[in-house]
Amino acid sequence: GESVGLHLPTLSVQEGDNSIINCAYSNSASDYFIWYKQESGKGPQFIIDIRSNMDKRQGQRVTVLLNKTVKHLSLQIAATQPGDSAVYFCAENRDTGNQFYFGTGTSLTVIP
Amino acid sequence: ETGVTQTPRHLVMGMTNKKSLKCEQHLGHNAMYWYKQSAKKPLELMFVYNFKEQTENNSVPSRFSPECPNSSHLFLHLHTLQPEDSALYLCASSQEVNNEQFFGPGTRLTVL
Repeated sequence: GESVGLHLPTLSVQEGDNSIINCAYSNSASDYFIWYKQESGKGPQFIIDIRSNMDKRQGQRVTVLLNKTVKHLSLQIAATQPGDSAVYFCAENRDTGNQFYFGTGTSLTVIP
Repeated sequence: ETGVTQTPRHLVMGMTNKKSLKCEQHLGHNAMYWYKQSAKKPLELMFVYNFKEQTENNSVPSRFSPECPNSSHLFLHLHTLQPEDSALYLCASSQEVNNEQFFGPGTRLTVL
């Protein structure tokens, strides 16, 4: 399954399939990006991050890809499990100021 | 759960009440944050504290008053709130500003 940016807020995938969640950012000066997962009733949880000097970073079952040319970030989840059901959102940090800017998120539902 | 705790988890208050939200981080971090999370909207940064000093105030109404007595504790004092202030209020901390942030579970606030 695949979602595009912040304009498609829901994504449903079959258990065991791979998921791809996308995020578009606006500021070419952004140099640090984080993906967060937020389960119902909980605060956001860090998943993986990437800096602008990289275009790919892998974690356990997750991969983040960064395309600075088109200002696009994606999160790939391999072999999606029911426990992956949550809202995922990206955050970008710009090289000025002390804050991250967050997207509205994509709600991922894993169908058993 | 992360090393960031928040109390209370749920709060219902009238518009004339005064209440306080509490956040404590057990991670030895130097920066702490208050965010507001409303349905279908991105996380809104409210305040940033770095080494107990406030470094960001994102045009937050004065009915929200933060307090940071030390690097481990952060409060948000509330008075004469409006119904539109109903939201999930999240606290976060990071080792330094612009580092990955660790979030607490949030306080679900309802203003009647």
